[in-house]
Amino acid sequence: GAGVSQTPSNKVTEKGKYVELRCDPISGHTALYWYRQSLGQGPEFLIYFQGTGAADDSGLPNDRFFAVRPEGSVSTLKIQRTERGDSAVYLCASSLQRGGPSGELFFGEGSRLTVL
Amino acid sequence: GDSVTQMEGPVTLSEEAFLTINCTYTATGYPSLFWYVQYPGEGLQLLLKATKADDKGSNKGFEATYRKETTSFHLEKGSVQVSDSAVYFCALRQGAQKLVFGQGTRLTINP
Repeated sequence: GAGVSQTPSNKVTEKGKYVELRCDPISGHTALYWYRQSLGQGPEFLIYFQGTGAADDSGLPNDRFFAVRPEGSVSTLKIQRTERGDSAVYLCASSLQRGGPSGELFFGEGSRLTVL
Repeated sequence: GDSVTQMEGPVTLSEEAFLTINCTYTATGYPSLFWYVQYPGEGLQLLLKATKADDKGSNKGFEATYRKETTSFHLEKGSVQVSDSAVYFCALRQGAQKLVFGQGTRLTINP
């Protein structure tokens, strides 16, 4: 498929553990976004990459959250010392270049994280 | 900061009914406005968009008009189908920045 791919689709972990979530964007899309969606809420912005660099990380809730995109394609969201409040669906989206003000973001199906 | 407020759900309608889902926004400047839809078991996908005041976005029988004077972007459809059952999200975007979403409205259409 040519869409945004996220793995794993489901992750159950214990409080205090470390978790990595992977996003493989659409080929050729240079912009990549991470969002978090809690039950019954809209997606909340976490971080945005343009190429390899984080252009805006203002949505990361604290220093336990970190994301990388070393080669400007695949991105990994890393969560240290997970807490029960981190349980949510983590969404990744990509778009062409910056996409402009009307540019479409293409979303993956998300990674559901459950922290016990 | 910028924000989007949507009509609270869930909304339940019968097939062929008229649909309105209200959306209002708060933003500095002139954002682009979007409706995204999330069908069961699928990722978010763009339904329609409008980039400036008085623009009307339309797709799959859905319409929404960008109203600057009322800071609104209400979603409408004249005759809904069972296949329209989904969660609908209103969103705005300033320039090339992040999308800001509303909380979503779950729509269920009964046959």
